[in-house]
Amino acid sequence: ILNVEQSPQSLHVQEGDSTNFTCSFPSSNFYALHWYRWETAKSPEALFVMTLNGDEKKKGRISATLNTKEGYSYLYIKGSQPEDSATYLCASFKAAGNKLTFGGGTRVLVKP
Amino acid sequence: EPEVTQTPSHQVTQMGQEVILRCVPISNHLYFYWYRQILGQKVEFLVSFYNNEISEKSEIFDDQFSVERPDGSNFTLKIRSTKLEDSAMYFCASSGMGQLGEKLFFGSGTQLSVL
Repeated sequence: ILNVEQSPQSLHVQEGDSTNFTCSFPSSNFYALHWYRWETAKSPEALFVMTLNGDEKKKGRISATLNTKEGYSYLYIKGSQPEDSATYLCASFKAAGNKLTFGGGTRVLVKP
Repeated sequence: EPEVTQTPSHQVTQMGQEVILRCVPISNHLYFYWYRQILGQKVEFLVSFYNNEISEKSEIFDDQFSVERPDGSNFTLKIRSTKLEDSAMYFCASSGMGQLGEKLFFGSGTQLSVL
């Protein structure tokens, strides 16, 4: 894997349903994986920063896992609510340098 | 809660004109960044700035671009001679101690349209 990729690009979820989506990233020189939540017309907001293989983070109904050996992370939303509608961005931070490399985002629309 | 503020929210300019995008990072943060997103593409890194100098820049950040921290609060991105392909949403971000991998605080962006 050369770039940070996210799938799917978009998904529609019924209110109350749970969902998850994927971020894949280069595992070489990996240091950290960030997840950001980006609502329209607002600032991207950090959800999680994960560094260790097997890391699991949770914030309310949202959680994330990290596999640094194979280069992927999952983000889970449990019991989706309309306010969860946003674009979720993942970004990889390498051991050298001081920049994030972003995936294309997963746009989530929760239907009432 | 402290936040990163960007002005203007929208900027329309003619090709070849100079534009300055302004940002006020969180006051006790030490590292500052510019990212941009061209419509339909990924958010991409432009430049990072620390201790009054560029610490890293991407290949996009050519001689047409410059950054400056003219006083203790503002952080600006200047594009000297804008091109059509510079049209994008430009995000300023800052981080606290610049610890490797720490989260970034983003502004809400400036939508630049070059005509």
